[in-house]
Amino acid sequence: AQKITQTQPGMFVQEKEAVTLDCTYDTSDPSYGLFWYKQPSSGEMIFLIYQGSYDQQNATEGRYSLNFQKARKSANLVISASQLGDSAMYFCAMREGNYQLIWGAGTKLIIKP
Amino acid sequence: GAGVSQSPRYKVAKRGQDVALRCDPISGHVSLFWYQQALGQGPEFLTYFQNEAQLDKSGLPSDRFFAERPEGSVSTLKIQRTQQEDSAVYLCASSLGGSQPQHFGDGTRLSIL
Repeated sequence: AQKITQTQPGMFVQEKEAVTLDCTYDTSDPSYGLFWYKQPSSGEMIFLIYQGSYDQQNATEGRYSLNFQKARKSANLVISASQLGDSAMYFCAMREGNYQLIWGAGTKLIIKP
Repeated sequence: GAGVSQSPRYKVAKRGQDVALRCDPISGHVSLFWYQQALGQGPEFLTYFQNEAQLDKSGLPSDRFFAERPEGSVSTLKIQRTQQEDSAVYLCASSLGGSQPQHFGDGTRLSIL
């Protein structure tokens, strides 16, 4: 069974609109972490935001926020006021145990001018 | 810069040749990870080091793959007798600790002819 599911293979969004990228996860471990990474076409993997399973508040980093719904096991990434430079692949990943990351298949986001 | 540095950026080798990929992590980062990323997919875990100790090599696909980090800093991923299926992007990441966010290099794009 998939442990990380990103149901949107691709998305087109108009510049300046907000966008939500979906991520659901599956784990029985009470302690885990959720990460979002951005991978532009140039290939580098850029860390965006982190949410710990015990964190009470949703994580925010600038224009990025993580909509963490623990009971539903979802950790959606919200990008506010999208920009052309946001066009990239976005990966959701989960840390189970001490270090290993399990990755989703990614969502390709294209921002239209 | 102060980020993770990988070299070479691109590597083309003939089937059967040996290759060595280098990773220079962020200074002070104890944990180092290698991943393999096929086109259009998320990264797949290969191996994990804490300082010079290789704590997990469960993701290495065969005994042709070997990784080392002899002084707890720079790491080398070696692939012997390369095969076409080894063609992929190899990503290196480092972090302050195993559970902390991982910071990635630009990757090495390996093509086996």
